[in-house]
Amino acid sequence: DGGITQSPKYLFRKEGQNVTLSCEQNLNHDAMYWYRQDPGQGLRLIYYSQIVNDFQKGDIAEGYSVSREKKESFPLTVTSAQKNPTAFYLCASSLQPVSSSYEQYFGPGTRLTVT
Amino acid sequence: KNEVEQSPQNLTAQEGEFITINCSYSVGISALHWLQQHPGGGIVSLFMLSSGKKKHGRLIATINIQEKHSSLHITASHPRDSAVYICAVRSGVGGGADGLTFGKGTHLIIQP
Repeated sequence: DGGITQSPKYLFRKEGQNVTLSCEQNLNHDAMYWYRQDPGQGLRLIYYSQIVNDFQKGDIAEGYSVSREKKESFPLTVTSAQKNPTAFYLCASSLQPVSSSYEQYFGPGTRLTVT
Repeated sequence: KNEVEQSPQNLTAQEGEFITINCSYSVGISALHWLQQHPGGGIVSLFMLSSGKKKHGRLIATINIQEKHSSLHITASHPRDSAVYICAVRSGVGGGADGLTFGKGTHLIIQP
């Protein structure tokens, strides 16, 4: 079955620690995205990648970093510089980036709690 | 900046009722998406439309480009339809870096 997997589903970390969230897709999609969801707010874009070895900052990239070494994988690192890291993180992919013709497919999400 | 407003924010209805969720936006768009977020958090794309109407099973999505408004209808609603429904618009003006602006979602509960 094709789809997007994110792991783990729940993640707990102490303040000051970096943490990496996994996102893998087997849809052969070029574009991948990371969103953050907070209660009462719409999804906000953290980073996106249109092709391997390339990625762009989204609207709230501060305190986050990404890599795109393989087409299938787009891990997100939440660094200690992120002031409010506790949130629900969603990974998505689409066949082509920033286009009206292609749907986005979402992963199941990772709920990160930092104390 | 493209503002996306959904109404209602919360909706509780009885099984079998006809449900309507509305989405309005402020700037012209190239496409509008309706997404469904399950209680566990995963999101599924329901529709992508740029004009007219689309139907899939008991779900119907319409869009009026001139009025900058879209509706999502659910006929013969069922408790399994309980979820958060999110509207997202794609435009070249004022959207996120990927061109998308998301609404805050409508939390729907269907009671048996």
